Amino acid sequence: GAVVSQHPSRVICKSGTSVKIECRSLDFQATTMFWYRQFPKQSLMLMATSNEGSKATYEQGVEKDKFLINHASLTLSTLTVTSAHPEDSSFYICSATSGGAVETQYFGPGTRLLVL
Amino acid sequence: RKEVEQDPGPFNVPEGATVAFNCTYSNSASQSFFWYRQDCRKEPKLLMSVYSSGNEDGRFTAQLNRASQYISLLIRDSKLSDSATYLCVVNGGSGTYKYIFGTGTRLKVLA
Repeated sequence: GAVVSQHPSRVICKSGTSVKIECRSLDFQATTMFWYRQFPKQSLMLMATSNEGSKATYEQGVEKDKFLINHASLTLSTLTVTSAHPEDSSFYICSATSGGAVETQYFGPGTRLLVL
Repeated sequence: RKEVEQDPGPFNVPEGATVAFNCTYSNSASQSFFWYRQDCRKEPKLLMSVYSSGNEDGRFTAQLNRASQYISLLIRDSKLSDSATYLCVVNGGSGTYKYIFGTGTRLKVLA
């Protein structure tokens, strides 16, 4: 199957700092990437949909100024958590799809963020 | 009502048992259906897509009932390695690649 990587896999930061997470599709061009957040014992919640070359579409309740998404190329999307606070501590997972008739999303390994 | 509903479990079953998970979805416009498996602290991994005609992959069988908006997953001859959370996933409707995840059903296969 297609490979999606995420970096970093784990990050610990102080409250108020910004954290950037990268999501890369390694062997295919991802026209659409998705960013999810998962809190303990809960399901994945979609935060935003990222299309290459255009602005991300955010889900209701997700602050676009807090979670900055950039999808500058067909293989890279970044999520920046600005001025992170302890309540932003979570498991952030990206996924990518090549679009067209194939709708399967391929997930990255996730980034575990802990804000102290 | 949640868009995708699953019994969270946990289901504790002995090795070799057959176990079935169910899932209901609310959006009748959904076109694609999947079962994903998620191990603790890992990303979801595609187990199988679900088709109206039903599909089987080894010990795993998935069924879709569009009229009842219901999806099932059957695991036969459970292995210890099947222990995981099984996520029912439905796409957001025609023309979208968005996935809607259920909360997942935890399975623990006991020796």
